Amino acid sequence: KAGVTQTPRYLIKTRGQQVTLSCSPISGHRSVSWYQQTPGQGLQFLFEYFSETQRNKGNFPGRFSGRQFSNSRSEMNVSTLELGDSALYLCASSFQGNEQYFGPGTRLTVT
Amino acid sequence: DQQVKQNSPSLSVQEGRISILNCDYTNSMFDYFLWYKKYPAEGPTFLISISSIKDKNEDGRFTVFLNKSAKHLSLHIVPSQPGDSAVYFCAAADGGSQGNLIFGKGTKLSVKP
Repeated sequence: KAGVTQTPRYLIKTRGQQVTLSCSPISGHRSVSWYQQTPGQGLQFLFEYFSETQRNKGNFPGRFSGRQFSNSRSEMNVSTLELGDSALYLCASSFQGNEQYFGPGTRLTVT
Repeated sequence: DQQVKQNSPSLSVQEGRISILNCDYTNSMFDYFLWYKKYPAEGPTFLISISSIKDKNEDGRFTVFLNKSAKHLSLHIVPSQPGDSAVYFCAAADGGSQGNLIFGKGTKLSVKP
């Protein structure tokens, strides 16, 4: 089976812009979770989608949003980018939610 | 407030010896625990997991032990190989919080030939 794929792998944006990241889960997986990894905070949970519904959300501001499509692919969007949003954004898929398999991540740099 | 703690930022082990990575948690609602390995510029790779109804799970060179009363789990790697050098993350989940893994800050393992 192909693994989790994320596009793009690298992105440079300017403060105030918005960005959309994409994730394709492992075939058959219906749960997609998103995480932010920074050196100071480690891996932090953003949100999780299952069958196109957001089931769970972490403690991030409303500028961070996501959605899931009927084919289980997911996107996350960050609006009004801030310097502190620079991070590695990781997507993980699972069959039901716990045993998660991660993609390679998207490295976002905000200047 | 960290719910999952990996108190050793780094660990150095000789090739062929045992590597023991430790993890403590505070939330008694956690019922599923996982270990991930991460190389630089890659996403975490799932290694092994354990449910709270068990106290041990083995998969090849990797064994995870869970001590619920102490809220402690450990990952044993035997024998350690240079290719095991990576950052290891402990993660925990509670059944009521779907898709949300709580991660420790990681332990960097170096296996020296």
